[in-house]
Amino acid sequence: SYELTQPPSVSVSPGQTASVTCSGDKLGDKYASWYQQKPGQSPVLVIYQNSKRPSGIPERFSGSNSGNTATLTISGTQAMDEADYYCQAWDSTTALFGGGTKVTVL
Amino acid sequence: QVQLVESGGGVVQPGWSPRLSCAASGFIFSSYPMHWVRQAPGKGLEWVAVISYDGSNKYYADSVKGRFTISRDNSKNTLYLHMNSLRPEDTAMYYCARPTQIRKSVAGDGFAIWGQGTMVTVSS
Repeated sequence: SYELTQPPSVSVSPGQTASVTCSGDKLGDKYASWYQQKPGQSPVLVIYQNSKRPSGIPERFSGSNSGNTATLTISGTQAMDEADYYCQAWDSTTALFGGGTKVTVL
Repeated sequence: QVQLVESGGGVVQPGWSPRLSCAASGFIFSSYPMHWVRQAPGKGLEWVAVISYDGSNKYYADSVKGRFTISRDNSKNTLYLHMNSLRPEDTAMYYCARPTQIRKSVAGDGFAIWGQGTMVTVSS
């Protein structure tokens, strides 16, 4: 079965760039989406179709997808960006999520 | 505004068959496929099921196939999840979610709108 793999944690200093990766076989041939989830809250879509930002999502969030890896990049990371981040893609008619990455802003 | 509101959760015994509901408002419900996604306490997100805009196509995660049934009533702008043969591992927050775009295909899109979730705890 198809799987998406994320690192469990990423640490970043305020103002620096955080990169969260998501790996899967030929993931670049699929669309990847990314979600931010803060404790006690519902997930929020931050990137869809690899690199598109929904209305209201800050420009510091960007995405790319090529080969076997999709990447969420947070430029100029702020304390409010500390959260869990999940990648998501489709394998035929099944939606899959990565295991999640906790981004800590130190 | 665009909103999804889930209900129907609670503490249920193994083997019970509750039904979750998701009331939609602020958009043309009948034009979108709709999803259920769950999250066990302290764990990650798990997609559960999807139903096409008109209810003609339904797909499920292997973990719930044959036990859960997704359905919708477009006249009431409501999505449902009928849960049978519940197990302790079904304990989770259950979210309904809407894709980013109106589409006939159930697959290929991200989940733009999420409800607040309804908690289901399976315990004897």
